[in-house]
Order: sequence, then structure tokens, then C-alpha cells
Amino acid sequence: DGGITQSPKYLFRKEGQNVTLSCEQNLNHDAMYWYRQDPGQGLRLIYYSQIVNDFQKGDIAEGYSVSREKKESFPLTVTSAQKNPTAFYLCASKGGSAYNEQFFGPGTRLTVL
Amino acid sequence: GENVEQHPSTLSVQEGDSAVIKCTYSDSASNYFPWYKQELGKRPQLIIDIRSNVGEKKDQRIAVTLNKTAKHFSLHITETQPEDSAVYFCAARASTGGFKTIFGAGTRLFVKA
Repeated sequence: DGGITQSPKYLFRKEGQNVTLSCEQNLNHDAMYWYRQDPGQGLRLIYYSQIVNDFQKGDIAEGYSVSREKKESFPLTVTSAQKNPTAFYLCASKGGSAYNEQFFGPGTRLTVL
Repeated sequence: GENVEQHPSTLSVQEGDSAVIKCTYSDSASNYFPWYKQELGKRPQLIIDIRSNVGEKKDQRIAVTLNKTAKHFSLHITETQPEDSAVYFCAARASTGGFKTIFGAGTRLFVKA
């Protein structure tokens, strides 16, 4: 399955709670990405990281935070500041060349109750 | 900001017919154009890609064309089969800017048997 995993597969959260989504890859990729997917919509970039200890905001970073302490891991925290967090979250990673394929994880479906 | 527009949003064809999905990108620095297929509840998976120095690429029943002048690129699926039913995303990426990949909104393809 491409060496990139996400956990959990399904996550339920109460309003006002922070929650962290896990993303791990064993592909030795430098770049990692987080996307949000809403029903019937495309993939919107939340955060991305080109290298360990560095990350950049994407198009919809408000209410989210990330860390990149290890090359293999890029966890995403959905904070209580995110107004509408219910969505399907996809993590991806990519090797160094601009033309390398971006591999996606299986996704985490987050539901706020 | 960078943008990728994709049409149509929904496409229904008879088995055996051809399907064409069209995309337009805004960033003239884009030089890599992948296409992803996403089945329901699954991760997006790369099906074909094209670089900016190539006008057309074919892989069995799938082909992609690129018109850099017009900033258009298209996916062509011939002899469609029911298993081609899925959501297809076009995307564009530049070599700069952290290799951000900008995705279209997706096309839901239905192939009727």
C-alpha cells in the first residue's frame, strides 16, 4: 500500500476538543503533505513539509497545526479553532524530484459530534 | 493564487464509449501534470502523468494531452469499463514553491454496463 499509513481510520470528536491524526511513511521521502477532502470536492492543502523541522501553511491552515520532528512522521492536530472539522483527511509523501509521484495514505475520516 | 479548473464535474458514459475530462491551470510555472483515480472511500492513486516537455502520453486505454500555450490538459479513456467508474482528479505542480500540487475539484465518472 505504498508505505504510507494513517491512523486511526475513523475518529470521532466532541466539539471543543483537539485531536491528532497520525501519518507515518517508510519511503524515505523528504516531503509530506496534509489534505482535506469534503464530499464532492477536491483536495485542499492544509500544511506541507519539505524537510524535517520545517513546514509551511497551505491554503486552509487555520485551525490546524503540524510538527515534523522525524522524517517518517507528520502528525496533524485539528484544534477547537477549526470551525467545521468533519471531513476526510489524507496524508501524502513525495520523493525529492519535482516529477516524483505523490503517494497517499488511506485517509482518516473525522466526525465531530 | 494557483488554480486548476476541471470539467465536467460528473460524466456518465456507456460501457465501451470514450470519456474525456478537461483541466485548465493558471500557474505558467507548472511543469508536471498527474492524474489520480479515487474509488469510493479509498485513497487517490496515480494513473498517468505528463511533463511539460511532452504533448501527449498514452498507457493502454488511457491517454493524456497537454497544450502548454493554452494551459489545458485532458484525460482520455477509451473503451470504458464499469471498473473505470470512480472520481478522477487532475493536478498541476511547479518545480518551485515546495512542490505544491494543486488539484482540480474532481470528475465523477459513471460507466454504465
